[in-house]
Amino acid sequence: GDSVTQMEGPVTLSEEAFLTINCTYTATGYPSLFWYVQYPGEGLQLLLKATKADDKGSNKGFEATYRKETTSFHLEKGSVQVSDSAVYFCALSAYTGGGNKLTFGTGTQLKVEL
Amino acid sequence: ETGVTQTPRHLVMGMTNKKSLKCEQHLGHNAMYWYKQSAKKPLELMFVYSLEERVENNSVPSRFSPECPNSSHLFLHLHTLQPEDSALYLCASSQEIGGPLGYEQYFGPGTRLTVT
Repeated sequence: GDSVTQMEGPVTLSEEAFLTINCTYTATGYPSLFWYVQYPGEGLQLLLKATKADDKGSNKGFEATYRKETTSFHLEKGSVQVSDSAVYFCALSAYTGGGNKLTFGTGTQLKVEL
Repeated sequence: ETGVTQTPRHLVMGMTNKKSLKCEQHLGHNAMYWYKQSAKKPLELMFVYSLEERVENNSVPSRFSPECPNSSHLFLHLHTLQPEDSALYLCASSQEIGGPLGYEQYFGPGTRLTVT
């Protein structure tokens, strides 16, 4: 079945550091790929997405490129802020004929310190 | 109200209680979802509704009973739960169930459920 693997956290960085959160996936067919973010006490929010190979999703300084050859969708940000502290979820959406199903990774907690 | 709202935000219940979780979406979407979020586990999809019709039930125990009276409201009725059912229950909605490229899902803040 489909699956998403993320690096385990927590990831602790200093403000303005470079961020990479790794995500790899296994899926049949050609899934769409997503990053969701969950701030403390809130639900998940869509951060960015890519729907086909070599697409780059970007939002709020975060970027991720859909790499079909390595089945990866790593999240990057050049300079993190304290306000980026949250849990980040990688997910894929696979069309099963009856509709789309989102499959999530376990989430990676990011802590940004001053 | 905008987006997806859930009530209550926190719930503590005994194993013999009956309670209900409520979700409401103000986005005009046709599909709604229940997820269970437990610590250190991927989000688990529980139920999917499209235009008030249940289209997916992922082997969820019968002590969880969903209800979708219209496309804006979704309930999760709970009875005789177990302590391992303690988790964050998230509701989400999307425009449609989705074609090959998928539709974004919009999540509510969740209900933190503790079963004692």
